[in-house]
Amino acid sequence: KAGVTQTPRYLIKTRGQQVTLSCSPISGHRSVSWYQQTPGQGLQFLFEYFSETQRNKGNFPGRFSGRQFSNSRSEMNVSTLELGDSALYLCASSPPPGQGRVHGYTFGSGTRLTVV
Amino acid sequence: SQQGEEDPQALSIQEGENATMNCSYKTSINNLQWYRQNSGRGLVHLILIRSNEREKHSGRLRVTLDTSKKSSSLLITASRAADTASYFCARGEGMRFGAGTRLTVKP
Repeated sequence: KAGVTQTPRYLIKTRGQQVTLSCSPISGHRSVSWYQQTPGQGLQFLFEYFSETQRNKGNFPGRFSGRQFSNSRSEMNVSTLELGDSALYLCASSPPPGQGRVHGYTFGSGTRLTVV
Repeated sequence: SQQGEEDPQALSIQEGENATMNCSYKTSINNLQWYRQNSGRGLVHLILIRSNEREKHSGRLRVTLDTSKKSSSLLITASRAADTASYFCARGEGMRFGAGTRLTVKP
């Protein structure tokens, strides 16, 4: 089955602009999480969505937002881009827990955002 | 912070040697997961260990969990150059990651 698909793979934006990244989870997965990865800060949790509801949120400013659609696809938006927003943005999906089992997450290849 | 924290930050070994990396966490967990990331790519799930398990194997991987010390270790036996990657642990709920261990296996 298809993996987690993130689009676009690469993006260059100018300071002050806004950007929208997309993540299509594995079919049947209803949980989608977003992470920001930078060399200095490692993997930072942004937010998690489950059945169109934000279930968890990391410590990021309000410029970072997300949403999930009824087909479980998710988007994250960053407004008023700053140079420090340059990073690899990773999306991960997970099936709903079943029969007490917990599953590992499946990650997409990421979107590399460069802010100039 | 509820992150998993890995150490060492970097590890360099020769092919054929074993590699051990550790993960510590601060709060109680239901499970802990290990992931691998090849340069600039997405993370790949390696193994999940539940809080009621003490050890788990998967091929050349062995994971241990000590809930009393709030720590876990990942052992890669008979390492190969292809094992060169960054390794991360993640606490189950919320999936918080540490900074990872950068493993280099020299041929």
